[in-house]
Amino acid sequence: DAGVIQSPRHEVTEMGQEVTLRCKPISGHDYLFWYRQTMMRGLELLIYFNNNVPIDDSGMPEDRFSAKMPNASFSTLKIQPSEPRDSAVYFCASSFAMGGQETQYFGPGTRLLVL
Amino acid sequence: GEDVEQSLFLSVREGDSSVINCTYTDSSSTYLYWYKQEPGAGLQLLTYIFSNMDMKQDQRLTVLLNKKDKHLSLRIADTQTGDSAIYFCAENYGQNFVFGPGTRLSVLP
Repeated sequence: DAGVIQSPRHEVTEMGQEVTLRCKPISGHDYLFWYRQTMMRGLELLIYFNNNVPIDDSGMPEDRFSAKMPNASFSTLKIQPSEPRDSAVYFCASSFAMGGQETQYFGPGTRLLVL
Repeated sequence: GEDVEQSLFLSVREGDSSVINCTYTDSSSTYLYWYKQEPGAGLQLLTYIFSNMDMKQDQRLTVLLNKKDKHLSLRIADTQTGDSAIYFCAENYGQNFVFGPGTRLSVLP
């Protein structure tokens, strides 16, 4: 398996533009997580899905952020409109189950810079 | 609320042992984990320990768990330059999975 795939790997955009981050989880994994990592706030869980259904979106910072999982092999995280404070590395992770011995497998991340 | 704490930085000399510490707050945590993040990469699971264990050893890695004090540590023996990375402690209880802020380990030659 190729692991968790994220695209793009790098994104530079201007304030006010829409940004869409994409994730393909590992086949067979029922859980998908979106995280944001910054120097100031560390690693933050934004939202996670179970069987394509959003379970906990309490970490989504505000209405400008939205996430979808239309099928088991694809998820998007959208920021509209983007702001400079959204600059961060966004990670997608997937797992077969929640916790226990089933670890989360992380993608390589998308480095977002909003100018 | 739930909180996992770690010291942010640690420097050691190559060949020495590294000990990275973590404290967590939820006594009902069932599993505790150590993840490693190398520069420019995502997190990768290093090891985990079930809450009814005190110690787990895996090659150069030793995990110690003190449930009474809610303290977890990761010891890396014979630390190498390739061990330079950020190490995250994480706890799992029920449907919650919480990461600490990460400890940046620098290995000096």
